Amino acid sequence: DIQMTQSPSTLSASVGDRVTITCRASQSISNWLAWYQQTPGKAPKFLISQASSLGSGVPSRFSGSGSGTEFTLTISSLQPDDFATYYCQQYKTYSRWTFGQGTKVEIK
Amino acid sequence: EVQLVESGGGLVQPGGSRRISCVVSAFTFSSYAMSWVRQAPGKGLEWVSAISGSGSSTYYADSVKGRFTISRDNSKNTLSLQMNSLRAEDTAVYYCATGGDYGDYWGQGTLVTVSS
Repeated sequence: DIQMTQSPSTLSASVGDRVTITCRASQSISNWLAWYQQTPGKAPKFLISQASSLGSGVPSRFSGSGSGTEFTLTISSLQPDDFATYYCQQYKTYSRWTFGQGTKVEIK
Repeated sequence: EVQLVESGGGLVQPGGSRRISCVVSAFTFSSYAMSWVRQAPGKGLEWVSAISGSGSSTYYADSVKGRFTISRDNSKNTLSLQMNSLRAEDTAVYYCATGGDYGDYWGQGTLVTVSS
């Protein structure tokens, strides 16, 4: 099974900061990676597919990059709505998703 | 606007059964695979099961294989998950999501609590 590891687990930042979250796969997944944002009590919200393709309506301050085993999610200028938990998810294996453990972005 | 609405959650005794459902609107339901993802209290996301658009192919996490059954009724735009032999560790919010690659749309979730 493919394992996904995110770092850091928690990140403290201020509004306006540039934030980067890393996701590593236990084996190459090409670019079959998605990112989600989840706020407390809400369902996950899709952000990015294929490592770098922004979902419809997702603000351009979000960007993704990487391929193979190492990926990053970057928020160029953190906004108040962005304080949330972020998850990566591999889909190299169709219909057998694996998620990272999550990265909580909290207010500094 | 695509909407997914789950229902059927509640309190179940260990060893018991529960069926949860997800109704999807404003979406070409039969054309897409669908998935269930759960989240235990205070924990991360765990993929549970998926089903192809036609319903002919199903997939399960090892943790639920043999106990859970996913199904769909394309005439009613409804996805279901039959959960048997429930354990305390199955306690979670269960989300349905569209897609077999990634979940571009998600429901609001339904809480299943397994406790005596």
